[in-house]
Amino acid sequence: QITLKESGPTLVKPTQTLTLTCTFSGLSLSTSGVGVGWIRQSPGKALEWLALIYSVDDRRYSPSLKNRLTITKDTSKNQVVLTMTNMDPVDTATYYCVHSASGNWFDPWGQGTLVTVSS
Amino acid sequence: QSVLTQPPSVSGAPGQRVTISCTGSSSNIGAGYDVHWYQQLPGTAPKLLIYGNTNRPSGVPDRFSGSKSGTSASLAISGLQPEDEASYYCQSYDSSLSAWVFGGGAKLTVL
Repeated sequence: QITLKESGPTLVKPTQTLTLTCTFSGLSLSTSGVGVGWIRQSPGKALEWLALIYSVDDRRYSPSLKNRLTITKDTSKNQVVLTMTNMDPVDTATYYCVHSASGNWFDPWGQGTLVTVSS
Repeated sequence: QSVLTQPPSVSGAPGQRVTISCTGSSSNIGAGYDVHWYQQLPGTAPKLLIYGNTNRPSGVPDRFSGSKSGTSASLAISGLQPEDEASYYCQSYDSSLSAWVFGGGAKLTVL
C-alpha cells in the first residue's frame, strides 16, 4: 500500500521561499517508471499540476511556474522536496503530493497541506 | 481557464444517471492521450475514479464508467446515491504544454 504525506509551513510571507516535503512509503524511487509529484488547489478552485520527478531523476515542471519551482528526491529517506520561490498571496492553496506510475494518472494522493501566503 | 473544459455543475435525483463531459483539443485528448477521472468529496483529497479512459480501480463501484471519443471524454454515474455528491475532475496530458492538465471540475449535486 502506497502512502504519501506532506509536511511544511502553514504560513509563509510574500517573497519568501516555500519548502514542502513529501514522505512516502510503499514505493521506491529507485524503481524504473515510478514518479512522485505535486499538485495544488487554491481555495474553491481547480487542480493544478506543478512538478513531477521520476526514478531516473527526470524532472518535469509546469511551464507557467517553471522558473520558480525545484523538485528533488532523497531516495534513502523516501522523500521528495518541492521548493517554490517568491511566494505570493495567489499561491495560497492546498498542496498535494501524488504518486504517478509511468507518468499517467495520479494515485494515490497525500492528504494535502494548506499553505497560506500572507504578511 | 482550464485546458480541459467541464461543466461547472451537474445535478440529478437519487437513482438517476448523469454524465459529466470533458472537452479538450488536438494537443491533449485528441492527440490520443488517456483521460483519467478523480472524485473529490468535500474536505478531502481527490481520489482516482477512472484511469485509462474506461478502467475502474479496485473498489470503485461499476455505477461509474468512462468513455472517450475524439477530443472529448465523459464520466457517467448511474443509480445516483447521496454519497456521490462531490466534485469530479478529468485529467490528461498536453503535448503542446508538455504538462499534465486538469479540467475545471464539475460539482455534482444529488437532489
